[in-house]
Amino acid sequence: EIHLLESGGGLVQPGGSLRLSCAASGFTFNSYGMSWVRQAPGKGLEWVSALSGSGATTYYADSVKGRFTISRDNSKSTQYLQMNSLRADDTAVYYCATTVMGVNYWGQGTLVTVSS
Amino acid sequence: DVQMTQSPSTLSASVGDRVTITCRASESISTYLAWYQQKPGQAPKLLIYKASSLESGVPSRFSGSGSGTEFTLTISSLQPDDFATYYCHQHKNYFWTFGQGTKVEI
Repeated sequence: EIHLLESGGGLVQPGGSLRLSCAASGFTFNSYGMSWVRQAPGKGLEWVSALSGSGATTYYADSVKGRFTISRDNSKSTQYLQMNSLRADDTAVYYCATTVMGVNYWGQGTLVTVSS
Repeated sequence: DVQMTQSPSTLSASVGDRVTITCRASESISTYLAWYQQKPGQAPKLLIYKASSLESGVPSRFSGSGSGTEFTLTISSLQPDDFATYYCHQHKNYFWTFGQGTKVEI
C-alpha cells in the first residue's frame, strides 16, 4: 500500500524559511515524479512544484519560483520542499502527492503558517 | 498551462438527487483526470482516476466519464455523507491544475 507522510510544517515569520519533508513507501520511489500541492485556508487546490523520478528536472508555479526549491533523496524515499522568503500568502496546508500507474496518491498534509 | 473550468461552483441538492459536475480542459488531456471529494479539515479523497475508474472502496453511486476536454462526475443518488466539495484534477504533465471546486450543499 502506498503511503505519503509530510512533516516540517509550523509557524514562521514573514521572510523566514522552512523545509518540508515527505516520506514515501509502498512503491519504487525513484521511478515516479513527485509533487507538492497547497491549499490556503478556505481556498482551492494550487499546484506548487514537481520533480522527475531522478530529480534532474524540476518545475515550479510562478508564485513560488525563485523562493522555493524542490528536491529528493531516492536513497531515503523522501522528497523535500525548501521554502525561503516566506510571505503571508504562502500560509496553507501543503500536500505531497504522486501518480503511480495512473492512480493519484496524496498525504494528509502539513500546515504552514506565515505570521508575525 | 492547461486551464480547468469546473461548474457549477455551488450546487444545492437533496438526498436521493442525481448530481452532475462538469470539468472542461483548455486543451486535450486524454484521460489524465481525477476527481476528489474534500470535507473540512481533511485531505482530498480520491474518487475517480483515469477519468472513469472508480477508486477501491468508493461507493458505486459515484461515476466518471469523458476524455479529451470534457469530463463529468455523477452521483447517482446523493447520500447525506456526500455533502462536500468536489475537485477535478488534470495531470497530463508535471504542471498540474485543478478545477475551482464544486460545493454540494443542501
